[in-house]
Amino acid sequence: GAVVSQHPSRVICKSGTSVKIECRSLDFQATTMFWYRQFPKQSLMLMATSNEGSKATYEQGVEKDKFLINHASLTLSTLTVTSAHPEDSSFYICSARAPDRGDTEAFFGQGTRLTVV
Amino acid sequence: GQQLNQSPQSMFIQEGEDVSMNCTSSSIFNTWLWYKQDPGEGPVLLIALYKAGELTSNGRLTAQFGITRKDSFLNISASIPSDVGIYFCAGHMKGGAQKLVFGQGTRLTINP
Repeated sequence: GAVVSQHPSRVICKSGTSVKIECRSLDFQATTMFWYRQFPKQSLMLMATSNEGSKATYEQGVEKDKFLINHASLTLSTLTVTSAHPEDSSFYICSARAPDRGDTEAFFGQGTRLTVV
Repeated sequence: GQQLNQSPQSMFIQEGEDVSMNCTSSSIFNTWLWYKQDPGEGPVLLIALYKAGELTSNGRLTAQFGITRKDSFLNISASIPSDVGIYFCAGHMKGGAQKLVFGQGTRLTINP
């Protein structure tokens, strides 16, 4: 149990276009999901907390208008990188906390490698 | 910013050797989680710790929640080639809401 699926695993887009990344909890319902960004050889950096049915909570320094988060159901959160630029190229990872694991253990998706050209 | 100090940053060992890594903080943590990340993949949960002093094993992996609640260690016994990867400690700080704080990671390389 506690499987989180992220799609796509990698995407290449042109500068100025928008890209949507999906994060799904496959066998549990997640009222809260988290979006991270990871640069090469670095740790995970929390971007925002996605709350089902309400607005996401963004970390300091993360542009909410650039990284749009929608958590419309208990099993799906999406991150849209709007007007992407080469500096947005990175590895994006989502996670969800499983209620049946005390709501403390976080399970991660496979990650999405975004390359903006 | 990072509030967990993870060490060592990298390790180069021979197959069969034991491995030890740890995380420390000046803050108190309610939970400690240890993850392994392979290249191009998301982190995979290895061990979760909930109580001060708790010692938990998962196969060849053993982790402990420090008595002071400010540190944790992960040991890997008799390392094998598939243990190669980056190991992260993470935890929920006391009063830190739902956020997971991550260590900087330990990159493990194994020479066969």
